[in-house]
Parts: sequence; C-alpha cells; structure tokens
Amino acid sequence: QQQVKQSPQSLIVQKGGIPIINCAYENTAFDYFPWYQQFPGKGPALLIAIRPDVSEKKEGRFTISFNKSAKQFSLHIMDSQPGDSATYFCAARGGSARQLTFGSGTQLTVLP
Amino acid sequence: DVKVTQSSRYLVKRTGEKVFLECVQDMDHENMFWYRQDPGLGLRLIYFSYDVKMKEKGDIPEGYSVSREKKERFSLILESASTNQTSMYLCASRGSQGGGSRSYEQYFGPGTRLTVT
Repeated sequence: QQQVKQSPQSLIVQKGGIPIINCAYENTAFDYFPWYQQFPGKGPALLIAIRPDVSEKKEGRFTISFNKSAKQFSLHIMDSQPGDSATYFCAARGGSARQLTFGSGTQLTVLP
Repeated sequence: DVKVTQSSRYLVKRTGEKVFLECVQDMDHENMFWYRQDPGLGLRLIYFSYDVKMKEKGDIPEGYSVSREKKERFSLILESASTNQTSMYLCASRGSQGGGSRSYEQYFGPGTRLTVT
C-alpha cells in the first residue's frame, strides 16, 4: 500500500522560530508533493508544492526541501507567527488517477 | 474562486441508518474525491470519480458507496451507518492535467462531521 509517513504529530514553537515538519515516502513513482494547511473548521488548502526534479522551493516564509535519493521532503516555516498555528499535511501524488496520498498530519502551535 | 460545498457541517445519525453526504463544486472539475479525516491517521481516500457516472475505489471503500449523476455533484452513501464511521468527511475536486502551475490543485470543502450513535 502506498504510504507517506509524517512527523512529528505535534509541534510547539515560539513566535519567530522555524518549525520543521518531515515526510518520507516509499513509492518512487510519486511525481508531485504538495503541502496542505488546515485551520479549525475548514477544509485543507494547498500551501506549497514541489516536483521531484528540484531540491528546494520557496514561497514567502514557506520552504520545501526535497531529497529524492532519501525519499524524504520537509516543510520549513521561517519567522513563524501565531497565525501559522494550524494542522499541516504532506501528500504525494501517484496511482491510476494521480490521486493524493496524505501523511497523518502535524498540529503546529506558534506561541505569541 | 473555486467553491466546494458540502450539504451539512454536522450530522448525527443512528446505527443502521442510510446516510447521504452531498458535495457540489462550481469549477466544472472532472475529478472529485471523498476522504475521511481521523486524528493521527490523516486523510484517507474512500472513493473518487474522474467523470460522470464513473467511480473508483480508494483505500478504504468498505461500507461506503458513491454516486455521480451530474458533473458538479458527488454523493457519498453509507448504506448502513456504524459507529466506526463516526468521522470528519471531506470532499474535494480537481481539474484535468495541464494549464498553469496549480492545475493539479485539489480544492476541499469545509467538511461534514458525522456522528453515528
């Protein structure tokens, strides 16, 4: 079964800190790796995504680092703010309908 | 702005009842998905549809069925609800491949929290 393993399950940082969330995958046929952000009472929303032919992608304060040989990727949030407090999911795309397989989620709390 | 709406935010049903969860998207997307979200398990795919009247099983289809009679609407059906189907249910839609850096973006609805007692 395709799997994406995400850690940690929860993370607490001070404002201005740099939380890092890690994901690992098994299926080398995955071809697209998005991160989704979910606030309480809302559905997940696409935050940033990367393809396996690049090692890093940055959008604003959010950066994905991708290590194809290790089959790992991570999300870094620079200068984190209390408004970044949310649940973050990594995902990987593959399969007959190019569907997403999600990690188990990380609940991030940024203290003021 | 893409909008994915779900018929109910909260639903309470009894064991054995037939339950319908409705999802509507307004972006003319071909692909629609149903997930359930449980703490520590992330989002797990129940069923998806890539066209009207077409459906494919996801990772956890047991106890569920789906219907897609119109392109904009995708329904999830619990034939006989059980307590282990208490969960948050999320619907999503996605366009076809091609066209822009976010053409693969999957848009989610706000979710339906179903409690089966």
